[in-house]
Amino acid sequence: KQEVTQIPAALSVPEGENLVLNCSFTDSAIYNLQWFRQDPGKGLTSLLLIQSSQREQTSGRLNASLDKSSGRSTLYIAASQPGDSATYLCAVVSGTYKYIFGTGTRLKVLA
Amino acid sequence: GAVVSQHPSRVICKSGTSVKIECRSLDFQATTMFWYRQFPKQSLMLMATSNEGSKATYEQGVEKDKFLINHASLTLSTLTVTSAHPEDSSFYICSARSPSGGYEQYFGPGTRLTVT
Repeated sequence: KQEVTQIPAALSVPEGENLVLNCSFTDSAIYNLQWFRQDPGKGLTSLLLIQSSQREQTSGRLNASLDKSSGRSTLYIAASQPGDSATYLCAVVSGTYKYIFGTGTRLKVLA
Repeated sequence: GAVVSQHPSRVICKSGTSVKIECRSLDFQATTMFWYRQFPKQSLMLMATSNEGSKATYEQGVEKDKFLINHASLTLSTLTVTSAHPEDSSFYICSARSPSGGYEQYFGPGTRLTVT
């Protein structure tokens, strides 16, 4: 059974810092890995999707990498801003199109 | 493109009543939709997979008689919570499988259900 874990569970950093969020999964047979952000009480905003054949994806200040063999992905946020404060979720797609979500990292960027 | 909507965004109902949540793909046809539940400060848990024109497939531990799913058209899936109880209060999010046939899903904005 696929299990997805995110470390740390919570993170508080001063504005301007570069930071790394981690996602690990137990079954390397995945099709996609996707990172989302979720603001309190809101739905999901897709940030980056990495297909199984890819190693990384970049969008603005965000960079996500994928190492299938070790079952890990990282989300790198450069020059963090208070507006980046949110919960970040990773999800893997394996099996019959099912998304398995990680436990989430609650990020707070202090002004 | 690939927009998914949900209605209502918030609903409050009394214990014992039923409530229906709609999930629509606005600009594409979705043969497969999914329903997730998220309790406070927890991650999303898949409840069921909804396939147009056939019965939904429920995840282990989800009561199919309590959470009725209907996917009657290529753009609409509904989740009905029957005989709701306070423990059913949660954030319900639907998604639709990418029209390109790949593995990506597009997510709705969610529905906050509160059962009093």
